[in-house]
This record gives sequence, C-alpha cells and structure tokens, in this order.
Amino acid sequence: DSGVTQTPKHLITATGQRVTLRCSPRSGDLSVYWYQQSLDQGLQFLIQYYNGEERAKGNILERFSAQQFPDLHSELNLSSLELGDSALYFCASSAGATLADTQYFGPGTRLTVL
Amino acid sequence: AQKITQTQPGMFVQEKEAVTLDCTYDTSDQSYGLFWYKQPSSGEMIFLIYQGSYDEQNATEGRYSLNFQKARKSANLVISASQLGDSAMYFCAMREGGGSQGNLIFGKGTKLSVKP
Repeated sequence: DSGVTQTPKHLITATGQRVTLRCSPRSGDLSVYWYQQSLDQGLQFLIQYYNGEERAKGNILERFSAQQFPDLHSELNLSSLELGDSALYFCASSAGATLADTQYFGPGTRLTVL
Repeated sequence: AQKITQTQPGMFVQEKEAVTLDCTYDTSDQSYGLFWYKQPSSGEMIFLIYQGSYDEQNATEGRYSLNFQKARKSANLVISASQLGDSAMYFCAMREGGGSQGNLIFGKGTKLSVKP
C-alpha cells in the first residue's frame, strides 16, 4: 500500500458525460501528479500540482482539468468524454518536486467510456 | 525521439535465476533521475529503485539493483533470485532536472514472466 488513495476504483460512463476522479496523497506529500495509461499511448503525464498550485502540464486535453485543494487532495475532471478517453488514470504523490523525490502511485481509476 | 527505450517487450526467466531488464535513456540534462516501477496484473504501480545521475554507486534495494552506465545512457534493472511474484510489467522512467517539471517520462515497459 503506497498510502495514496484514489476513488472510485472503476468508472463506467457514456460518451459526452463528465466525471471527477479523486486523489488523496500520502500524508505530508505536497506534490500531486496525474498520469493516464492506455494501450496505445502508454503512461503519459497529464498535470502536476505542488502545494495547491499548478506546477507543470503535460499532454492534458482541454476537456480535462484538475485542481489541488487546501487539504492537498486533488481532483481530475474529464468532460465531453470520448471513447478514446477510456484508460487507467493514476494519481501519484511525492514529498517535494526535486529529482530524488520518489513518486508513489495510487491504485488507479479505471475509466470505461461506452 | 523516444526519451526512454525498453527494447524487450517480453522476457522469460526461470525461478531463482537472475534477470536483467534493459533501459536506455536520452537527455541533454546533466541532472536527472532514473526510476524503475513494477506493475503487476492487478494494475498498481510499485516503486522499486532510484538512481541519480550524480550517484557514483549503483543503487541497490534488496533483490533489485540498477546497473547504471552513464556514458552509454543505460540504466538496466537486475533482479536476483527471481520469484514467481516477480511476474509483472516493469517500467523504466526518467525525471529530468531542467525546468520546474517533476513529471516522470516512462518507457513502454517489459513484461517479465517467471517460470517455475
């Protein structure tokens, strides 16, 4: 158990819908990352927050947004869902954002868009 | 160009034997970190080992060691005394030192199967 929690574990929804994925980082970790894992794209970085502020953006679609709250939990919002958004979405956290700060991953949310 | 290359899509190893999973990387940064993660069939990503670009010694964590060859830009994972529970996908990842981004760049992974 990494100490990172993600809810829900599974999510099945229809095209055009909007969903929210939630992440609670390990106790004391200030940095949160979101990754998407799909068969064709592999593991792709989406976005990073550090102590409530957006730190870096990766291959995140405009239909997707995220935020980190004062209690450091984070939410990833996916809207106007398409079939291709079906993937495993991971949240990871680390104490800081230096090179040596290990990212610990949550169990993931498996999103299926029908 | 790919930043992390794992050339072995799949590998087999006999239980109790050692196995090396290959990883090469591409960066122009002087400071970077290299990580290995394990993903069992259950889906979670488990951190195994870390090597910093300035570390002179190869990293070791229990049965895992990282064979770091900086000049060749390779960071191979060595698993000693393989166990059945080692069967999983293994991902090599890099974190570059330039800028403020802290994200990991992953390779496509190697599927390891341990035979009894």
